[in-house]
Amino acid sequence: NAGVTQTPKFQVLKTGQSMTLQCAQDMNHEYMSWYRQDPGMGLRLIHYSVGAGITDQGEVPNGYNVSRSTTEDFPLRLLSAAPSQTSVYFCASSRDGGMGTEAFFGQGTRLTVV
Amino acid sequence: TQLLEQSPQFLSIQEGENLTVYCNSSSVFSSLQWYRQEPGEGPVLLVTVVTGGEVKKLKRLTFQFGDARKDSSLHITAAQPGDTGLYLCGGGNEKLTFGTGTRLTIIP
Repeated sequence: NAGVTQTPKFQVLKTGQSMTLQCAQDMNHEYMSWYRQDPGMGLRLIHYSVGAGITDQGEVPNGYNVSRSTTEDFPLRLLSAAPSQTSVYFCASSRDGGMGTEAFFGQGTRLTVV
Repeated sequence: TQLLEQSPQFLSIQEGENLTVYCNSSSVFSSLQWYRQEPGEGPVLLVTVVTGGEVKKLKRLTFQFGDARKDSSLHITAAQPGDTGLYLCGGGNEKLTFGTGTRLTIIP
């Protein structure tokens, strides 16, 4: 049972480059979300989705785009990477958008922008 | 935006001691969750509290939800090195957001 799978695990980008962080879940969860984790900042919500075709902004959405064309996949796109986007990124999924259901996290993508 | 504040930010204690960490907000939550995160891993759910005043126990860990559903606490009895990690509280009425976390270190 794979759960939530994130790729890649590590990535180094140059300023201005673009890339997509992949996230896939095999639990048929409706709710998926992306967080970034910086030292001393906990987890900050970037974007989230309550189902296929529906996305919304979180606390820190600037510089990131998402789409949700299928239930399983929720990619995060950086259009023009900046050093301020150096962080560890986590994708999570849960059964539905109702709060109180368990969120399952991937192992994270460590991104460095130079 | 519903903000969750956690305290203390860092805590380092000796094995066998007791400790309490806190999660506070000015907003009412329908539920709050506690997660533990170990280095290089994603957070893992410990407990969900739903009812104001609720107390849940998980072995040596005791979780309490405030009567007004604006705050929660985590108490660990006789801390062990395996309790070391980052403890995060999370909640939200339509999207799951987290506090800044408490980084706990238990010294053998």
